Amino acid sequence: EIVMTQSPATLSVSPGERATLSCRASQSVSSNLAWYQQKPGQAPRLLIYGASTRATGIPARFSGSGSGTEFTLTISSLQSEDFAVYYCQQYNNWPTFGQGTKVEIK
Amino acid sequence: QVQLVQSGAEVKKPGASVKVSCKASGYTFTSYGISWVRQAPGQGLEWMGWISAYNGNTNYAQKLQGRVTMTTDTSTSTAYMELRSLRSDDTAVYYCARDPIPSSSWYLAWFDPWGQGTLVTVSS
Repeated sequence: EIVMTQSPATLSVSPGERATLSCRASQSVSSNLAWYQQKPGQAPRLLIYGASTRATGIPARFSGSGSGTEFTLTISSLQSEDFAVYYCQQYNNWPTFGQGTKVEIK
Repeated sequence: QVQLVQSGAEVKKPGASVKVSCKASGYTFTSYGISWVRQAPGQGLEWMGWISAYNGNTNYAQKLQGRVTMTTDTSTSTAYMELRSLRSDDTAVYYCARDPIPSSSWYLAWFDPWGQGTLVTVSS
């Protein structure tokens, strides 16, 4: 099983600031990585797939990068609706998810 | 628009079974596979398995083999997930999620969209 490790567990950011979230895989997953946003009481929402391709309707302030074992999700200027938990998921092998990064208001 | 609507919350006793449904609309049901993913309270996400809505082929996560069965009813565009011999650590929100690309075969990919989730509580 490929273990996905996200850091930090919690990120405190002020509105308008940049947020950088990290995701590390225990072995290479190539570019087979997705990012999701989850708000309380809601299902996860796809943001990014293929490590860097934004899903339909996702604002340009969300960007993904990386390959192999190191990945980053960047939110360029945090809006109020962006405060949520973010998960990475690899699909290079049986799907596994990271434990999530909570982005909270500073 | 593409939508997955799941059945309501369930409370079950240890040792019982639960069957959760996921009704699809807005697309050709048999063209896409459906995965099930669960999330224990305050925890991360765990992939449980996948079913082809085209031919019923399945792939289950190893840790759930023997306890989980996924089925579909193409006449109603509904997918089902049954989990047996429930334990307290099966308490979770269960999500169905569609494959992103039409195919009758299993392939590794992200999930989009997701159902709204079904809370299953296992308690004596």
